[in-house]
Amino acid sequence: SYELTQPPSVSVSPGQTARITCSADALPKQYAYWYQQKPGQAPVLVIYKDSERPSGIPERFSGSSSGTTVTLTISGVQAEDEADYYCQSADSSATYRVFGGGTKLTVL
Amino acid sequence: QVRLVESGGGWVKPGGSLRLSCAASGFTFSDHYMSWIRQAPGKGLEWVSYISGSGGTIYYADSVKGRFTISRDNAKNSLYLQMNSLRAEDTAMYYCAREAYSGNYRWTDYWGQGTLVTVSS
Repeated sequence: SYELTQPPSVSVSPGQTARITCSADALPKQYAYWYQQKPGQAPVLVIYKDSERPSGIPERFSGSSSGTTVTLTISGVQAEDEADYYCQSADSSATYRVFGGGTKLTVL
Repeated sequence: QVRLVESGGGWVKPGGSLRLSCAASGFTFSDHYMSWIRQAPGKGLEWVSYISGSGGTIYYADSVKGRFTISRDNAKNSLYLQMNSLRAEDTAMYYCAREAYSGNYRWTDYWGQGTLVTVSS
């Protein structure tokens, strides 16, 4: 089965830059999407099509892609950014959707 | 604004059935693919199924294929998930989600607040 690999956790101090990666073989062929989920809440889309930012999402959130890895970058991390972050993509046929295992971002 | 409200969750014994519903508003429902996505307690997100705007295209994750059936009623702006032969591992929060689209690409852009399904004897 197709899998997206994320680090389980990332820790940064306020004001620093957090980078969360997501890797899979089909990522060069399919876009990746990123969701933020805070405890007890539904996920929120923060990046779509690798690097596009939905309206209402702060500019400090950005996305990039290189080969089989996509990266969510949060510049100038704030305490309110502490959450779980999930990448999502599709298999090479674009039929099945897959989520990464999630990364817990801790703001120290 | 886009609003998705799930209902129908609850407690059921292994082998039992449950039907989830999702009431959509704030957008042209028939224009969008819709998905069900679940999250077991303390675990990550798992895509379950999606259905096209007309209902003519449907796919399921292997973990639910043959047991779950997704459907929609565009006249009622509603999405459904019929879950049969439920197992303990189906215990999760079930989210209804709308899919945005651009050309041939689609992605989940709005989520409901979820409905909890507990499968236990």
